[in-house]
Amino acid sequence: SAVISQKPSRDICQRGTSLTIQCQVDSQVTMMFWYRQQPGQSLTLIATANQGSEATYESGFVIDKFPISRPNLTFSTLTVSNMSPEDSSIYLCSVTKGLAGGPDTQYFGPGTRLTVL
Amino acid sequence: DAKTTQPNSMESNEEEPVHLPCNHSTISGTDYIHWYRQLPSQGPEYVIHGLTSNVNNRMASLAIAEDRKSSTLILHRATLRDAAVYYCILTTSGTYKYIFGTGTRLKVLA
Repeated sequence: SAVISQKPSRDICQRGTSLTIQCQVDSQVTMMFWYRQQPGQSLTLIATANQGSEATYESGFVIDKFPISRPNLTFSTLTVSNMSPEDSSIYLCSVTKGLAGGPDTQYFGPGTRLTVL
Repeated sequence: DAKTTQPNSMESNEEEPVHLPCNHSTISGTDYIHWYRQLPSQGPEYVIHGLTSNVNNRMASLAIAEDRKSSTLILHRATLRDAAVYYCILTTSGTYKYIFGTGTRLKVLA
């Protein structure tokens, strides 16, 4: 398993500003992911954070809006840029150790609750 | 990506067993079946996973149909702390991508 922490746990931001969310894992992991959970909804994958290269974004998400960094095997950041009230969501980090040929069990952080006014 | 279908909500009485169903008729031979639950104001928590055989762990049991087109998560004695949204997810080894459905919201009655 893996223990994941996220900072901040919650924030209230003004529209037009940006917020960077940090994800720290207690051990080295293969893959790191960022999800969004809009109010009352299920989770949607934003992107896969790749170490040493650009993140891989899912349909509907772009780098200019959600830049992602992953400088090493235990840390990643997600920035929500030029925020609008529609960006109010919970943002979650998840990781997997990705054992070859095995189940890709993911472990999730506690989430960052973002409110944009 | 293979999809799953779950009932939107279920209720159970405390101390009774709960059977949460999941249909995945388009499952492929290499897809694992994962179950997660999301307690209020928390990130999803891993519950159990399986491939072909039934599985047991300290949290729950997973019963997989012989044709693998459906599965059932079994909580042997529901407690109030088991009230959560339960997600059934198919994963293919090496693709790493999780597609979350709407899940089943379990309500446990005291």
